[in-house]
Formats: sequence, C-alpha cells, structure tokens
Amino acid sequence: QVQLQESGPGLVKPSGTLSLTCVVYGVPISSSHWWNWVRQPPGKGLEWIGEIYHSGSTNYNPSLKSRVTMSADKSKNQFSLNLTSVTAADTAVYYCARDRFFDQWGQGTLVTVSS
Amino acid sequence: DIQMTQFPSSLSASVGDTVILTCRASQGISNYLAWFQQKPGKAPKSLIFAASILQSGVPSKFSGSGSGTDFTLTISSLQPEDFATYYCQQYDNYPWTFGHGTKVEIK
Repeated sequence: QVQLQESGPGLVKPSGTLSLTCVVYGVPISSSHWWNWVRQPPGKGLEWIGEIYHSGSTNYNPSLKSRVTMSADKSKNQFSLNLTSVTAADTAVYYCARDRFFDQWGQGTLVTVSS
Repeated sequence: DIQMTQFPSSLSASVGDTVILTCRASQGISNYLAWFQQKPGKAPKSLIFAASILQSGVPSKFSGSGSGTDFTLTISSLQPEDFATYYCQQYDNYPWTFGHGTKVEIK
C-alpha cells in the first residue's frame, strides 16, 4: 500500500525559505513515477508546484520556477521541496502526490508565512 | 497555461440524484484529464484519470467522459458521502493545471 507523508515547519518567516520533505512508503521512489508537490491556499483551489523523477529530472511551474528547487533522496525514499523568498501568498496546505494525474496524495501540511 | 473551467461552481442536489459536472479546457488536451474529490480538511482523492478510467477502489457510480476540450463527471445515486468539492486537472501540457472546483451540496 502506497503512502506519502509530508513533514516540515508549520511556520516560516517572510523572505525565508520553506522546506518540506515527503517520505514515500510502499514503493521505491526509484520506480517509474514522477513525484509532485501541489499546494492549496486556505479556502482556495489547487496549484501544481513541480515534479521530480528519481534521476533528478525536474519540471516546475513557471509561476514559481525562480524560487523552487526539488530534490530526491533514494536512500531515504523521500523527496523534498525548497521554496525561497516566501511571502504571505505562499501560506497554504502543501501536498505531495504521485504521478502526473496524482493517484496518491499525502495528508497535507499547513505552512503559514508570518513574522 | 491551459485554463480549466468547471461549471457549475456549485450545485445543490438530493440523496439519490444523479449529477453531471462539466470541465472545459482552453485548448485540446486529448484525454489527459483527471478528476478528484475533496472533502473539508482532507487531501484530494483521485477518482478518474485518462478522462474515463476509474482509479482502483472507486465505485462505479462515478463515471467520466470526454476528449479534446469538453469533459464530464457523472455521479449517480448521490449518497451523503458524495457531497464534496470536485476538481478536474489536465496533464497534457506543462504546467499541470486544475479547475476551480464544483461544490456539490445537499439540498
């Protein structure tokens, strides 16, 4: 059974860096899947942030590309998101999800940007 | 970016009803369309991919159709657990984009 679990600080200061990790259970991230980050501001819709393949290949949403870095650690079976220069507009629930049609999701983690 | 438009934005229906939700892409996306159900405080749940293929474990009361720019999600015999917000998403062209959702409420 595949499970994804996000973790990271729930509070980040403005202009700081948001860093999250998604641990994957039940399938190696080195398998033939793309691993994604999606976010949802409170009360709003879903926004795709980017994806990473185990080889390290990445694709990012152009709206966030200048601030986003994703990485994968096969030894820990996890992948990570870094989002720099955050503002209040980056406050959201952040989800990790599998593949381009998001067949599996983590439970989500709320990140608030505030001083 | 491909814009995904869902309508209606909300609807009220009764238990036992059949509802049809619509999703329109701003350009053709073949059948690279997924549907999700989201309940308050929960992660989205995958229902359908490739426009019409049910995810494992999803009941057959959910069905999807369409190709190109126009897609529908049909939910038959609505039950209390089906009242939720439904999102469509295209994965034909980067960046992957979602519709703004249709909220299905109890009448």
